[in-house]
Amino acid sequence: GESVGLHLPTLSVQEGDNSIINCAYSNSASDYFIWYKQESGKGPQFIIDIRSNMDKRQGQRVTVLLNKTVKHLSLQIAATQPGDSAVYFCAEKDLGTGRRALTFGSGTRLQVQP
Amino acid sequence: DGGITQSPKYLFRKEGQNVTLSCEQNLNHDAMYWYRQDPGQGLRLIYYSQIVNDFQKGDIAEGYSVSREKKESFPLTVTSAQKNPTAFYLCASSTGTSPDTQYFGPGTRLTVL
Repeated sequence: GESVGLHLPTLSVQEGDNSIINCAYSNSASDYFIWYKQESGKGPQFIIDIRSNMDKRQGQRVTVLLNKTVKHLSLQIAATQPGDSAVYFCAEKDLGTGRRALTFGSGTRLQVQP
Repeated sequence: DGGITQSPKYLFRKEGQNVTLSCEQNLNHDAMYWYRQDPGQGLRLIYYSQIVNDFQKGDIAEGYSVSREKKESFPLTVTSAQKNPTAFYLCASSTGTSPDTQYFGPGTRLTVL
C-alpha cells in the first residue's frame, strides 16, 4: 500500500547548526502533512503542519517545506539545541477520504552534539 | 490542565491474560485513536472512534477491542488473541473537523511476561 517514509534514520548535528529532516511520501492524493517530535518514552508532540495548497510554513525556529512535484516534505530546525534531540516523524492524510487516521513514517533520530 | 492522559505508564501482563489500557481526554474532542509503536518504527493504527458509541478497525485491529461509551474515554483491551502484544501504546484525539490534527497522550508501555 502507499506509505510515508524517511530518507535518513539518524541525523547528527552540532549545537547551533541548522537541521534538515527529510520525508518522502508516495500517496499523491495526500493533502495534509504533520511533523511530530517524540522524546524517549513519551508520546509524539505536534510541531507544525502544512496543507498541500502551501509550499512553505514557518513556526518558531521550524520551517516545513512541501514539494508536491516530487512528493517530498522537509522539516528545518534553526539553531538546533540539545533539547531538539528526539525522533521526528512525518505523517500524512488525504483529507478527501473517510479515513480519519494518519499514516506515519518510521522516523528520523536527531542527535545534537554539544 | 487540559490534555490526554493514559494509564498506567507501565503495564505487565502474563501470557493468556486480557488487559485494558485507559485513555481519557478533557479537550472536548470528538475523535479518538489508538496506535501501536514497536521499537524503531512508526505508529500503526489499531482502532479509531469518530463519535460516541461508534468505532472502526484500523490497520492492525486483530487481538484488540475498544469501547466508546463516553466522549472523554476510549479504553483499549489487549486480548490473549494478540500474538505479540509487547509494545508502546499511544492514544490520540482530535476535534473531528478538518484538518483534524491529532494530539497524543504520553503512552503506555505494555510488556508480556
